[in-house]
Parts: sequence; C-alpha cells; structure tokens
Amino acid sequence: DAGVTQSPTHLIKTRGQQVTLRCSPISGHKSVSWYQQVLGQGPQFIFQYYEKEERGRGNFPDRFSARQFPNYSSELNVNALLLGDSALYLCASSLWGEETQYFGPGTRLLVL
Amino acid sequence: AQSVTQLGSHVSVSEGALVLLRCNYSSSVPPYLFWYVQYPNQGLQLLLKYTSAATLVKGINGFEAEFKKSETSFHLTKPSAHMSDAAEYFCAVSLYNQGGKLIFGQGTELSVKP
Repeated sequence: DAGVTQSPTHLIKTRGQQVTLRCSPISGHKSVSWYQQVLGQGPQFIFQYYEKEERGRGNFPDRFSARQFPNYSSELNVNALLLGDSALYLCASSLWGEETQYFGPGTRLLVL
Repeated sequence: AQSVTQLGSHVSVSEGALVLLRCNYSSSVPPYLFWYVQYPNQGLQLLLKYTSAATLVKGINGFEAEFKKSETSFHLTKPSAHMSDAAEYFCAVSLYNQGGKLIFGQGTELSVKP
C-alpha cells in the first residue's frame, strides 16, 4: 500500500509570496496533521484535520491555514512568507481516534 | 502542559555496541509515547509506540523501549548497533483527545563508528 505522499518535494519562494503544499493520506486514513520542522529541531504541530474540519491547531500565526477535501487529502497554505518559514513541512495521517501517526517524506521550503 | 526532553543531542557508538537514547516526558496524565527515526532528507518513520499496554515495547530493526512511570522515562535501546542505524531519533508524546497533536523532543543524532 502507498504511504503518505506529499508534493512538491522541494520549493523555493521569496519573502512575501504565498505557497501551497499538498498531502495525500494513507488509504483509509481520514485524519491529516501538519508539522513544521526547522533545521536542527523536532517537528512542531501546526494543524490537524478530520472530516474536513479543523480539530487541532498549534501556536502558528494566521498566515498559516489548511483545508481537507472530501477524498481526505489536504493542503497547507502559508501567506506572506518570511525567511523563518524555511523548513521541512511534514504531513501525517492516522485513523481517527488512533494515536499513531504515519509521516510522509515532507516538502522542503526555502524562502529567500 | 506536556513536554519531551531528549538528553544528548548527539550520541556516538561503535558498531556492535549498545545504543541508549534517553527520553523523559512531562505529563499530568498517562501519555502515549513514540520513537521515530529520520534518515537524511527523509520523513519520519515509526520505530515503536507505548499505548498503556506492556511497559516494554519492541519495535522495528531490533529497537525496544521501556516505559517507566516512576522515572517519567521512555529510553530507546538496541543491544548491538549497526552502521545503518545512523540517523536522527525523535521521542514524542501525545494525549488522547488532544487533536492529534504530537509533541516532539529536540532529537538525538546517532553516529555509528566502524
């Protein structure tokens, strides 16, 4: 079975631009979570979505938003990019009510 | 609030030696605990998890971890290191009904010397 997939794998943007990252969960998983991993640190929780609704939000500014589609795939949007947004963005999927999350390979974003 | 502390940002062992990566957590209620491994330029792979069943948990690639409530610890061990074990290891905690939020430690980079 295919694991969690993310696109694109790499992205370069300039300050002030907007970016959209995409994630497809493992088949049968209805919950998707997003994490930001800055170089040299552990991942930080951004959002969790289930059945197209936000079920959890981390300590990130409103420039960060996400949505989930009827097929349970998800998009993460970041507006007005800052240099500090440069990071590996990880998507994870899980069964609702199941604590184990399975991660995708990530999208590496570089903001210049 | 829950938190995770990984002691030692970098651990170096010789091939065939014991691997011990330390993780302590802070939580007001019994947590779920995880160890993930990250190879260079890749995502996170689940090694093992503790979800209130047996306190000694066996994972993939010969790793295991023991949940010790009295010490609030969940240290990761492997009896004999292999060169392929070189990677970044993350300990994480979550609480039921916390919206899928995993809280990660800072990570420990494991180097294996031939």
